[in-house]
Amino acid sequence: QKEVEQDPGPLSVPEGAIVSLNCTYSNSAFQYFMWYRQYSRKGPELLMYTYSSGNKEDGRFTAQVDKSSKYISLFIRDSQPSDSATYLCAMRSTGGFKTIFGAGTRLFVKA
Amino acid sequence: NAGVTQTPKFQVLKTGQSMTLQCAQDMNHNSMYWYRQDPGMGLRLIYYSASEGTTDKGEVPNGYNVSRLNKREFSLRLESAAPSQTSVYFCATLPRPVADLSGANVLTFGAGSRLTVL
Repeated sequence: QKEVEQDPGPLSVPEGAIVSLNCTYSNSAFQYFMWYRQYSRKGPELLMYTYSSGNKEDGRFTAQVDKSSKYISLFIRDSQPSDSATYLCAMRSTGGFKTIFGAGTRLFVKA
Repeated sequence: NAGVTQTPKFQVLKTGQSMTLQCAQDMNHNSMYWYRQDPGMGLRLIYYSASEGTTDKGEVPNGYNVSRLNKREFSLRLESAAPSQTSVYFCATLPRPVADLSGANVLTFGAGSRLTVL
């Protein structure tokens, strides 16, 4: 079993839809949770990060962490065609050098 | 301020050839990492360097060697390339010690190096 599981998709939605992306994990030591966005043929870029449990909002994006269920989510409101990319969840334990990534979910937002 | 710079961007090798991927950063970050990305597999850690002078194996180190030449540079070497090493390779850096939770202490990635081994 992988430490981090993420549905690779692809996920196709119409413009303006609310998108929900999710990851589950097995290592209870993970405390630092991140979402990266990766456009085709580019490097991953940080979208949001959270420490421990709770929610964090940044514009149209909301990240949620539920440590009791070992489940993290990223919500995108009013999705735009420019949001079409691969979204990677990532996590790390406090003091841990290794950041572990999910497989990434490919998202297509249709105009 | 270029951030994380990887060279070359593209390379085609024949089986058995050797090559070195270069990574340089100008952000004064302590830790540096090499990942490979394959379809459906996400990013897998090959090697990392927590600080200048140290290197450690990641999840998939076989067939690779690394050198942390100085604080700025971290190279990845394929001594005898195999088709299974066809992949996109990313270098990344972490700005502060891992125990430092003040602000966004997260990986910053380079643009990637696409390697094909025939």
